Amino acid sequence: QLQLQESGPGLVKPSETLSLTCTVSGDSISSSRHYWAWIRQPPGKGLEWIGTIYYSGSTSYNPSVESRVTVSVHTSKKKFSLKLRSVTAADTATYYCARRFFIEGRPIDAFDIWGQGTMVTVSS
Amino acid sequence: DIQMTQSPSSLSASVGDRVTITCRTSQSISGFLNWYQKKPGMAPKLLICGASTLQSGVPSRFSGSGSGTEFTLTISSVQPEDFATYYCQQSYNTPLITFGPGTTVDIK
Repeated sequence: QLQLQESGPGLVKPSETLSLTCTVSGDSISSSRHYWAWIRQPPGKGLEWIGTIYYSGSTSYNPSVESRVTVSVHTSKKKFSLKLRSVTAADTATYYCARRFFIEGRPIDAFDIWGQGTMVTVSS
Repeated sequence: DIQMTQSPSSLSASVGDRVTITCRTSQSISGFLNWYQKKPGMAPKLLICGASTLQSGVPSRFSGSGSGTEFTLTISSVQPEDFATYYCQQSYNTPLITFGPGTTVDIK
């Protein structure tokens, strides 16, 4: 059974870089049928997609954070990572990693497995 | 960008009520619409993908319908464990993914 687990600091200072890692267990991260994603939820607000990576390293990002974000994958370690630079209080949120699956030829493309989430606070 | 709205933003229901949530998109997304349930302190849970395909293990009281720009999530008889916030999400415009603003279902 696939499981995802986020890890990283819970407190980051303004203007610094937020770094999180998602560890994939129970299945391969090198699947051609899946993408890997970061999604966040600020306190009291809705869900926001941050970025997605394929095992090959191909990435896509939300335009709202694209200039500050890097998502990378480490297939041998079964991990993928998020780096968000120049953070402000607006980046305070619970960050989730998730698996995106899709089925060719059908309108099936969704996040089916999620990590438990990790709360990151941006504060001095 | 595909804009998404949900209505209502919140609703109160009694156990056993039928609950319907609507998600609308600013342009047609065919059937590329997913529904998630989110409870405080827990990860979102995928309920329905492709507008109407129930995920394995999700109770059959949940159902989804719609295509194009209007979609609905229905809970036929809401149970105590269903009180949560529900989000729709479009995957038509991948890789650019957007979520709706959410609908909170609480106990009347």
